[in-house]
Amino acid sequence: EAGVAQSPRYKIIEKRQSVAFWCNPISGHATLYWYQQILGQGPKLLIQFQNNGVVDDSQLPKDRFSAERLKGVDSTLKIQPAKLEDSAVYLCASSLGARLFFGPGTRLTVL
Amino acid sequence: AQSVTQLDSHVSVSEGTPVLLRCNYSSSYSPSLFWYVQHPNKGLQLLLKYTSAATLVKGINGFEAEFKKSETSFHLTKPSAHMSDAAEYFCVVSVPSGTYKYIFGTGTRLKVLA
Repeated sequence: EAGVAQSPRYKIIEKRQSVAFWCNPISGHATLYWYQQILGQGPKLLIQFQNNGVVDDSQLPKDRFSAERLKGVDSTLKIQPAKLEDSAVYLCASSLGARLFFGPGTRLTVL
Repeated sequence: AQSVTQLDSHVSVSEGTPVLLRCNYSSSYSPSLFWYVQHPNKGLQLLLKYTSAATLVKGINGFEAEFKKSETSFHLTKPSAHMSDAAEYFCVVSVPSGTYKYIFGTGTRLKVLA
């Protein structure tokens, strides 16, 4: 079966610019997660969707981050404007039952 | 509230010697527990999972973990380390609350010495 797809794999931007990441979960997986992994740390949940509804976005910096999952399949995560501290790997995951499947991640560097 | 604590941020072992990566959890519910591995510049891969069946769980690449409720622990072990085991390991607790929520530990970096 195809895995979780993410694009782009790498992105370099300057601070105050905008950036968007895309995720396509495994077919049939209703739950989709976006995680932020800063170098040397464990993944931190940014937002969790169940179909096209938000389950948990308590750790999403809503003044600059936004995410949507239209039609309950693909999802996009946007940062506007980016800050230096947003440099991290952004991981998308989907789940069916009690198991997470991760995409390869998008490595964001903010200069 | 649910949480997971990985007791060592770095572990170094010699090739061929046993590996022990420690994890303690806190959960108000009966948890599911996972170990994930992340090799440099690679994605997160599931090593093994505990979901209230057998307390000794066997995973891929010779790893196993034992769920000990009395000690709230879920330590990861391997009898003999291989150079390819060098990676970052994450202990994860999951609790079903409508949908599953997954909470990651801070990670343990395993170094394998030749």
